[in-house]
Amino acid sequence: NAGVTQTPKFQVLKTGQSMTLQCAQDMNHNSMYWYRQDPGMGLRLIYYSASEGTTDKGEVPNGYNVSRLNKREFSLRLESAAPSQTSVYFCASSPGTGNSPLHFGNGTRLTVT
Amino acid sequence: AQSVAQPEDQVNVAEGNPLTVKCTYSVSGNPYLFWYVQYPNRGLQFLLKYITGDNLVKGSYGFEAEFNKSQTSFHLKKPSALVSDSALYFCAADEPDTDKLIFGTGTRLQVFP
Repeated sequence: NAGVTQTPKFQVLKTGQSMTLQCAQDMNHNSMYWYRQDPGMGLRLIYYSASEGTTDKGEVPNGYNVSRLNKREFSLRLESAAPSQTSVYFCASSPGTGNSPLHFGNGTRLTVT
Repeated sequence: AQSVAQPEDQVNVAEGNPLTVKCTYSVSGNPYLFWYVQYPNRGLQFLLKYITGDNLVKGSYGFEAEFNKSQTSFHLKKPSALVSDSALYFCAADEPDTDKLIFGTGTRLQVFP
């Protein structure tokens, strides 16, 4: 079982460049999430999608956009990358029933120079 | 504001000794509580959860967690630590009336041989 798949694994961008992080899940989950992980900050929610066709802002949405392309795929776009967006990005999914655990991908390590 | 606190950045324990990783929460209502583990260069993996009922919850890899409502705590425990338990551990609580989790900042567990 693939679970949650994220691409790419690593990316280096120059300030001002744009890129899209891809995420796909094969568990038929309703909810999908994008987090960023920074040292000493834990995981902070960027955006989430409770179901296909809906997206909502999380704790740190500025500088990001998302698309829930279909039930399987949830992409995160950086329109104009900034050094403050250097981080490790994780996609996660869950059935969306509140007490269900999240399933995480293995992350994308992004460096913005 | 709703929050989850992990007061220790790092916990060091000798192999074979019992371990405790602390977590307290400040979330309204009766939240579901979770522990996740993160190994290097991987996403978070679900360990265990508390929904209701018995205050001692058993999970994966021999871990258990003790829920204490009066102290709003959910400490992770293991009777006998292994070197392979060395990892980053996150406590989380579900945000009321949403599909979102509130994560603590993480505790690095180091088990020495």
